[in-house]
This record gives sequence, C-alpha cells and structure tokens, in this order.
Amino acid sequence: NAGVTQTPKFRVLKTGQSMTLLCAQDMNHEYMYWYRQDPGMGLRLIHYSVGEGTTAKGEVPDGYNVSRLKKQNFLLGLESAAPSQTSVYFCASKRDSYNEQFFGPGTRLTVL
Amino acid sequence: EDQVTQSPEALRLQEGESSSLNCSYTVSGLRGLFWYRQDPGKGPEFLFTLYSAGEEKEKERLKATLTKKESFLHITAPKPEDSATYLCAVQAGGAQKLVFGQGTRLTINP
Repeated sequence: NAGVTQTPKFRVLKTGQSMTLLCAQDMNHEYMYWYRQDPGMGLRLIHYSVGEGTTAKGEVPDGYNVSRLKKQNFLLGLESAAPSQTSVYFCASKRDSYNEQFFGPGTRLTVL
Repeated sequence: EDQVTQSPEALRLQEGESSSLNCSYTVSGLRGLFWYRQDPGKGPEFLFTLYSAGEEKEKERLKATLTKKESFLHITAPKPEDSATYLCAVQAGGAQKLVFGQGTRLTINP
C-alpha cells in the first residue's frame, strides 16, 4: 500500500495563476481532508469530504475549491493564487468516524 | 469554540533525560484526542488515540495519558531519534474534523 500520496511535491506559482493539488489514497477510506501548515499557525483545515461526491468547508476555505469525484481522490484547486497561499499543504484520510487520520507527505507551494 | 494549547513550544533535553509534553484542551464532548509526530519536511505520523479520562497508551519510550482537561506525552530516557515536533489534536463529538495545537518541538541532544 502506498497510503496517502500527494502530487506535486513542490510548486512555484506567480500571483493570479491557477493550479490543482492531487491527493490519492489506496486504503478505501471514506473521509479525506486538506490542511495547510504555516509557521506559528499549526495545521488548519481548508476543506474536507465525508464520502465520494461530498465536500464541506473547514476553518480557512476562502480562495480554495475542492472536488471528490472518486472515492480515492481529493483535489484541491487554487483559481487565482495569492502570496498568502504560500504554505505547505497536507492531505489526510481516515476509514470512518472513529479512527485516526493518515497524512500524506505534503506539497510545498510558493506564490510569488 | 474547540481549542487546543500545547506547552512548551520547544523543549531541549539531553539523551536519557525524561520529561513530559502538555496538551490542554477545551472541547464540547470529546470524541478522541490524538497524538502525532512530525519530522521536518514530512507529514504527521500517528502515535496514539485516547478516548476517555484515565486512559493511558504506550509505545516504546512514549506514554500518553488523558484527563478531562489535558493530555500528557511522557518521554522516558529519550534518544536523539526522538527529536521531532509532537502534535496534539482533538475531535469533538459530532464533528468529523480535528482541531490541532501548534505543537511542541522536541530536541534530544546526544
């Protein structure tokens, strides 16, 4: 099992550009999450999904969109990147409501 | 509002010097408290889940305990490879998401 994988690992964008981050899990997990991690701010939830075809807003959803068309994939989109979105992005998944989340290796995004 | 506060922010120990990390929380109906370890440049790695006050869990040199207001991560006779940031998170009853603390950066000097 590969667990949770994220693509790409690194990316540099210019202000106003768009991009999509891909998260994939091979554990048949129902729940998937997108976080951002900034120095001094800890992990903050952007969006999450409790099953295929569902999405919900987290703590810091503005400027991001998500889609969960397939159970194993969770996409995070930035339509018009801003320097404030420079961060490390982590995806996580879990089997059901009671279990721990498993995290991917992260994507380091820089917006110039 | 659910909140998690970890202390200290950073802790430096000598190899073999035991200590504890603290995680204080306020949550409306605790469903679970989670401890993670994060190495630089990597994603958080799951360590423990605690569900109710009085519960304890151990793994190698680490032991996690839980009360109604806080959790402790005790590290006994640490080694340099235990150096990492340790994250605490809570899940409130009825919620499907975690609220994380800011972490404790632990450094073990040989």
